[in-house]
Parts: sequence; structure tokens; C-alpha cells
Amino acid sequence: QKEVEQNSGPLSVPEGAIASLNCTYSDRGSQSFFWYRQYSGKSPELIMFIYSNGDKEDGRFTAQLNKASQYVSLLIRDSQPSDSATYLCAVNPPSYGKLTFGQGTILTVHP
Amino acid sequence: NAGVTQTPKFQVLKTGQSMTLQCAQDMNHNSMYWYRQDPGMGLRLIYYSASEGTTDKGEVPNGYNVSRLNKREFSLRLESAAPSQTSVYFCASSDRGWPDGYTFGSGTRLTVV
Repeated sequence: QKEVEQNSGPLSVPEGAIASLNCTYSDRGSQSFFWYRQYSGKSPELIMFIYSNGDKEDGRFTAQLNKASQYVSLLIRDSQPSDSATYLCAVNPPSYGKLTFGQGTILTVHP
Repeated sequence: NAGVTQTPKFQVLKTGQSMTLQCAQDMNHNSMYWYRQDPGMGLRLIYYSASEGTTDKGEVPNGYNVSRLNKREFSLRLESAAPSQTSVYFCASSDRGWPDGYTFGSGTRLTVV
């Protein structure tokens, strides 16, 4: 089992819809969770981080964490074509101490 | 505010050649990292430096060496390049407290022929 696994995608949603990106992790002791957005040919940029169970909202983005289920998700409301990118989930397992990344999910928002 | 600066941006090497990828950060971060990114495989950690003077292997260290020259600079060296090292390389830095995750450089696209 991969340490961090994301839904395989690619995910295609119409403009204005909610995009849901999912991530599971294997190390139950992981403490911090990050979502990065990466445009084609660019470097990853941090868009959300979450430490506690529940929801964390920032504008159109909501990160959700369920440590019991070892699951973290990112919801993008009112999706825009400019949201089209690869989204990377990253986890900080305490046994390793460095961020471990999932393989990424490609999101396409079509007009 | 430059953040994390990587050089070069593109490089083509022949099999067996050597090269050094340079990385410098101006955010006074303690920790620095080198990742490689291959299609469908996400980012994989090659080496990291938790603080000046220390370096440790990551998930895929074979064929690479690193030097933490000072607090600002962390270089990655390929001693004898192989086609399997064709990839996009990212340098990143972070503070120990993890409030903001990593800051990434713009990447180096390396092709080994």
C-alpha cells in the first residue's frame, strides 16, 4: 500500500460545479496534511493545510480531515477554468518527518 | 523576495556525464529538500537537510549526492548520469514549525540521453 494515495483521476467538472479531491494515508500517527496545486510546467504551490479533524475553509476551498478513517479531502466550490491543474496531497508522518506526496490528481474545469 | 532559486532550469546530459543542480533560499529556513517528479509518481524525496551541517537520504537517493554548503544553499550532484535520472527536480525549503509546509523552487528539467 502506498503511503499516500489519491483518487486516480483525471477529474473533469463543469464550470461552477464542486470538485472533490480525495486522499488516504497509511501512517495513523500523521499530524499535518497539505494540499498543493501545480500548474503544468510549474512548481507546486501550497493552497491549504489542516491539522485537526473537521473542516477548514479558505475562500472557495475546503479541506476536510478524518483521522479515524485516515482520509483527507479538498473541495473546490464554484470551480473555474483557472482551477485546472494537478492537485497534490502531502502528509507529514511522524516516523519519517518529511512530507510524503501522493501521485496527484489532474483536475480539468471545462466552460 | 526571491524565495527558492534553482539553477539551471533545463539541462541535457549524455549518459555518464556529471552535473550539479544548485538551490538557494533567502527565507532563513532551516530545512531544505531535493525531490524528483516523474509522470504518475508524484514527488519523491531524494535527500534532505534538516539543518545546516546535516544531510540524510530520502526515498530514492541512489545515484545522487548532496552538499549543504551553508544555511542558504543545498546542491544536488549527479556523478554519472543515467537515462533513469531523466526527471524534473525540485528543491524546497521549510521552517521547523511546519506552519506553511514547503516553499518550492521553479524546478530543473533534466534529460539524460
